Amino acid sequence: QKEVEQDPGPLSVPEGAIVSLNCTYSNSAFQYFMWYRQYSRKGPELLMYTYSSGNKEDGRFTAQVDKSSKYISLFIRDSQPSDSATYLCAMSGADSWGKLQFGAGTQVVVTP
Amino acid sequence: SQTIHQWPATLVQPVGSPLSLECTVEGTSNPNLYWYRQAAGRGLQLLFYSVGIGQISSEVPQNLSASRPQDRQFILSSKKLLLSDSGFYLCAWSRTSGDNTDTQYFGPGTRLTVL
Repeated sequence: QKEVEQDPGPLSVPEGAIVSLNCTYSNSAFQYFMWYRQYSRKGPELLMYTYSSGNKEDGRFTAQVDKSSKYISLFIRDSQPSDSATYLCAMSGADSWGKLQFGAGTQVVVTP
Repeated sequence: SQTIHQWPATLVQPVGSPLSLECTVEGTSNPNLYWYRQAAGRGLQLLFYSVGIGQISSEVPQNLSASRPQDRQFILSSKKLLLSDSGFYLCAWSRTSGDNTDTQYFGPGTRLTVL
């Protein structure tokens, strides 16, 4: 079993809809959670960083962490065609020595 | 602000040829540095990471090696490329002090095709 599970998609939504992405994990020591966006043939760029449980909002993006369920989510409101990309979750803990565990990434397609 | 560079952007090499990919970081000191490979449609595989000059940890035994000759320079090498070395190679850095030391920042990547 992988430490981080993420549905690869593709997830297709119409423009303006809410995109809902999630990852589950097995290591209860994880406490730092990140979401990256990766456009085709580009390097991943950091979208959101969350420490421990709770919600964090940044513009159209909301990240949620539920440590009791070992489940994290990313919501994109008012989706745009420019949001079409692969979204990777990543996480680490105090015992990770600076290394991140990544999900496989979910491909999102926002259709006009 | 910090920036990370990788070159070349794309590379086509024959099987058995050597490889050298370079990564440099600007605007920060003593970063942790990482090399990843991303196969088509798959996740990121950590290959090497470095916490300082000359300090390299290998995550996966393979045909590749890494070196860190300067604080902000990270090099990925191979003496003889295999077909299975094809992929998208990403360099990343993270802070070693202050806030968000777990966050990694990625370069633009090098797309390697071995024929």
